[in-house]
Amino acid sequence: AQSVTQPDIHITVSEGASLELRCNYSYGATPYLFWYVQSPGQGLQLLLKYFSGDTLVQGIKGFEAEFKRSQSSFNLRKPSVHWSDAAEYFCAVGVGGSQGNLIFGKGTKLSVKP
Amino acid sequence: NAGVTQTPKFRVLKTGQSMTLLCAQDMNHEYMYWYRQDPGMGLRLIHYSVGEGTTAKGEVPDGYNVSRLKKQNFLLGLESAAPSQTSVYFCASSKSAGRNQPQHFGDGTRLSIL
Repeated sequence: AQSVTQPDIHITVSEGASLELRCNYSYGATPYLFWYVQSPGQGLQLLLKYFSGDTLVQGIKGFEAEFKRSQSSFNLRKPSVHWSDAAEYFCAVGVGGSQGNLIFGKGTKLSVKP
Repeated sequence: NAGVTQTPKFRVLKTGQSMTLLCAQDMNHEYMYWYRQDPGMGLRLIHYSVGEGTTAKGEVPDGYNVSRLKKQNFLLGLESAAPSQTSVYFCASSKSAGRNQPQHFGDGTRLSIL
């Protein structure tokens, strides 16, 4: 079955520390993968996407993600977290079809300590 | 450069009242979606539309109705509001149902049913 798992519900990091948010997907073919960020009181904003080619993709706000087919993972990283990065992050896999062409994970909430 | 606009942003209703949430997109997207977001539940698809004049049920359609009379607008109605419908509602749109198509989200409507 197609699915996305974000194992961590809530992560707290110190400002300036590095960040890695985990995402595991289940999909039979080559996946299209997305990361979204939801700041408090806002909608979901697309951070980055992976379609093919280079397995390390760069996104907005200094984020990057690495696709690892052997691990069925698409982890989001940032070298140095800023307080403004506190938000909820959603991973998604593109499955196609009109009934919601994306399957979303349940999200990881990031808190940033000063 | 509006993208997806949702109105209203906040609303408080009494049990049994009705209301309509409006979603408007200016990207000429064919597909539109209504989700609800509840703590720990992620995004759940309520209804979706594959084009003007078409609507279909998603994962949690009970208690909601929708209409898409114009391509750019997607309305979500609550005929008789219940406390269980207290949630944050998001509208999204995508160019097509392709699995490489990101969804674009509005900023949400925060609805409380007393």
